[in-house]
Amino acid sequence: QQQVKQSPQSLIVQKGGISIINCAYENTAFDYFPWYQQFPGKGPALLIAIRPDVSEKKEGRFTISFNKSAKQFSLHIMDSQPGDSATYFCAASRLGDRDDKIIFGKGTRLHILP
Amino acid sequence: EAGVVQSPRYKIIEKKQPVAFWCNPISGHNTLYWYLQNLGQGPELLIRYENEEAVDDSQLPKDRFSAERLKGVDSTLKIQPAELGDSAVYLCASSRQGNEQFFGPGTRLTVL
Repeated sequence: QQQVKQSPQSLIVQKGGISIINCAYENTAFDYFPWYQQFPGKGPALLIAIRPDVSEKKEGRFTISFNKSAKQFSLHIMDSQPGDSATYFCAASRLGDRDDKIIFGKGTRLHILP
Repeated sequence: EAGVVQSPRYKIIEKKQPVAFWCNPISGHNTLYWYLQNLGQGPELLIRYENEEAVDDSQLPKDRFSAERLKGVDSTLKIQPAELGDSAVYLCASSRQGNEQFFGPGTRLTVL
């Protein structure tokens, strides 16, 4: 029940295309869904996050779509650029719960073709 | 604002040897986390500190792993003795009162 399932494992997209990464969770108590971006040799960095009270959040070229009833959320990268090539992790947690932890998906390795 | 600092960045040791990793969190961040990241996997929490108190160490293999955060600032993670399966990246992160976590660059450990 603590798992966060992420797909696909790897993704190749042409420059200018839309990259879509999907995640599903089981624990309905989760109320915070961040996406992290990780470049080789670096730690993960928060990219964008959403709470379940909204169905979509957009920041620049990055959009999270959230489907509470299906317990799924996805990251869309519009006009994908070679600099977006990285590993992306979805995650879930319960904000404000002192004993809770962030559960990460296994990651999607994204490669944008120039 | 300086980020999370970790050292060393890379460490190669032989099995059964001890190894230690150091982390300096962002100034003012009271919560510190140690994560394990295996190749092709997401980070997995090993231990979380609130100031100097370890509030979640349920995933820390206590037979060989230990951690400390004296004075509630810097932290050290130790493995003794190291095993081949410990080869991974060890990430440190910090946050202010459980909000957004900021990760360090990690220490890549190779056990031969």
